[in-house]
Parts: sequence; C-alpha cells; structure tokens
Amino acid sequence: DVKVTQSSRYLVKRTGEKVFLECVQDMDHENMFWYRQDPGLGLRLIYFSYDVKMKEKGDIPEGYSVSREKKERFSLILESASTNQTSMYLCASRLQGASGTEAFFGQGTRLTVV
Amino acid sequence: GQNIDQPTEMTATEGAIVQINCTYQTSGFNGLFWYQQHAGEAPTFLSYNVLDGLEEKGRFSSFLSRSKGYSYLLLKELQMKDSASYLCAVRDMDDKIIFGKGTRLHILP
Repeated sequence: DVKVTQSSRYLVKRTGEKVFLECVQDMDHENMFWYRQDPGLGLRLIYFSYDVKMKEKGDIPEGYSVSREKKERFSLILESASTNQTSMYLCASRLQGASGTEAFFGQGTRLTVV
Repeated sequence: GQNIDQPTEMTATEGAIVQINCTYQTSGFNGLFWYQQHAGEAPTFLSYNVLDGLEEKGRFSSFLSRSKGYSYLLLKELQMKDSASYLCAVRDMDDKIIFGKGTRLHILP
C-alpha cells in the first residue's frame, strides 16, 4: 500500500527556533512537494523537488528551505520560526511525468509557533 | 502566473446532483486533478483529466475543456458523507501541482 509519512502530527515550537519537518515516501517517486494549508487560502506550494538534491521554489518559499539527500525523504526547514508560519503542512509525492498518476499526501503536520 | 478559481462554498441536498466549477489560467498545462478533503484529513484523489471530455467514475464525473481553461466536478446522488472540500489542481509543464483555494460543499438532509 502506498505511503507518505510525515514525522509529526502536531508540533509546538517557539519563535526563533529552527524547525525540521520530515516526509518519507515508500513508492520510489521522483517528485515530492511541500504545501501549507490555511483557512481561506487553500494549499499553497512552498517547495517542489523532482529528484535527489534538486529543488524548485513554489509560490511561497520565503522563510523556508528544503533538503532532498535521499530519494525517499524530503525535509522542510524553517530557519527561524515565526508566528505567521503557524499552519498545517502537507507533504505529497508523485511519479514523475506519468500521465494520470495521482499525488499521494501525508497525514499533515499541524505546526503552532508561539 | 497561475490562477485557479473555484467557488468558496456550495450547498446541496442529499440525493441531488451538484456541479463544482473550476477555471484556470496557468503558464503551462499538463493535466487537472480533483481531490476531496474532509475536515482534519489529508486530500484524497478523485480524478485526473488531461484530454478534453468527460471522465466518469461511479457517482463522480469530471469534465475538462482545455481551450476554455475550464473543468467541473459532478457529484450525483449526494450523500451526507460527501460533505467536504473539493480541490481543483493543475499540473504544469514542470510537473508542479498548483491548487485552487477549494470549494466547501455542505449537504443538507
């Protein structure tokens, strides 16, 4: 069964802390995505990776960085967490280029920055 | 740039039919997804259209017109469990997937 796993379901961090959100997929997918989801704003793409060590900025990359050292793992890093980064973070993965293939989502990490 | 529009909220009655529209203007187009998302849960895949026309899957159908930048999701024989948000998303030429803001569907008994 297809699986995308995010390391934490709920996380509370302090302003200024460095925060790591981890995402692992077991489907050998090339493409991985990080989104944040806020009420009224929908899912917004933060970063996208199409292969190991490859990354592209999405629509809202400011304040975030990513790491893809292994194909199965895509990490989102908040260099210095701020309260406006309180959100639901969703990771997804997809087979590259294949028409008709869905993106699979992790269960989400609800991050609160205090 | 990317712009994907869908209504914010819709209400329909159990047993009825509802159509959720999505229009898009994107820098490239390589297919359109529809996802369902229940409150507090991750999105789950409903359909994918890359060619013009209607794709039917049980009670759910999705339509695409590439020339008009338009898609709709049709839900028939509505059930209470269909109360959820429905997300339209476009896959661009770089394989990025960009979402609209979602349509919250309320089903009344």
